[in-house]
Amino acid sequence: GAVVSQHPSWVICKSGTSVKIECRSLDFQATTMFWYRQFPKQSLMLMATSNEGSKATYEQGVEKDKFLINHASLTLSTLTVTSAHPEDSSFYICSASRGLGTDTQYFGPGTRLTVL
Amino acid sequence: GQQVMQIPQYQHVQEGEDFTTYCNSSTTLSNIQWYKQRPGGHPVFLIQLVKSGEVKKQKRLTFQFGEAKKNSSLHITATQTTDVGTYFCAGSPTGANNLFFGTGTRLTVIP
Repeated sequence: GAVVSQHPSWVICKSGTSVKIECRSLDFQATTMFWYRQFPKQSLMLMATSNEGSKATYEQGVEKDKFLINHASLTLSTLTVTSAHPEDSSFYICSASRGLGTDTQYFGPGTRLTVL
Repeated sequence: GQQVMQIPQYQHVQEGEDFTTYCNSSTTLSNIQWYKQRPGGHPVFLIQLVKSGEVKKQKRLTFQFGEAKKNSSLHITATQTTDVGTYFCAGSPTGANNLFFGTGTRLTVIP
C-alpha cells in the first residue's frame, strides 16, 4: 500500500500562534511531497511542492515566510503556519509521491485548522 | 497559466442513473489521473491514463483520455449511494513536472 498520515487531524489555536502540521509516508519513501489547502466545497489549491533535502517551491501568491515547509527526510514533511490568523483557517492536506511531481499522489487525511 | 477545468461543478442523480464528468485542459497533457474525495475525507487515487484515446474500466467506472490528450471523462453506470463524493481529474502538462488538479465535480446520489 501507500499510506500517508497527518498529525494533528484537527487543531484550534489563538490568533498569533504558530501551528505545525506533520505529514508522513508510512510505507514508502516519498521523493516529493505536496501541501494543499482546501476551502469548504472547493477544489484543492496547491500551496507548495517539496523535495527531500531542498527548499520547497511555492505557488504564486503563497507566502513562504507565512507557510514554512521542511522536508527533512524521505518520509516526513512539515508545514508550519506562522502567526496564524482567522483567515488561515482551512483544511490542509498533504500528499506524497514516490517519484516526480507527475506521479500518483497519495493523500494524507488532512488537518482542519481553526484560528480563533 | 495552466488550467484544468471540470464540468459540471455539481450533479444530482437518482440512484441507478448514469453520471459523467468531463475534464478539459488548455494544453496537451502527458497523463491524466482521477481521484475521488468522499465527504469529509481526503482524495484517493482511482486511475491514471497515459495514451491518446485510452479507455480504462473499473467495474461501473469508465475512464477515457481524449485523442488530442487535452480532455478526459469519467462515466459511472448505474450510480449507487456509495458513489457520492467529489471527483477530481489531475493532469500533467507535457514537459512539466507538476500535476494540476481540476475544479472537481461533486456528485450527489439520491436514493
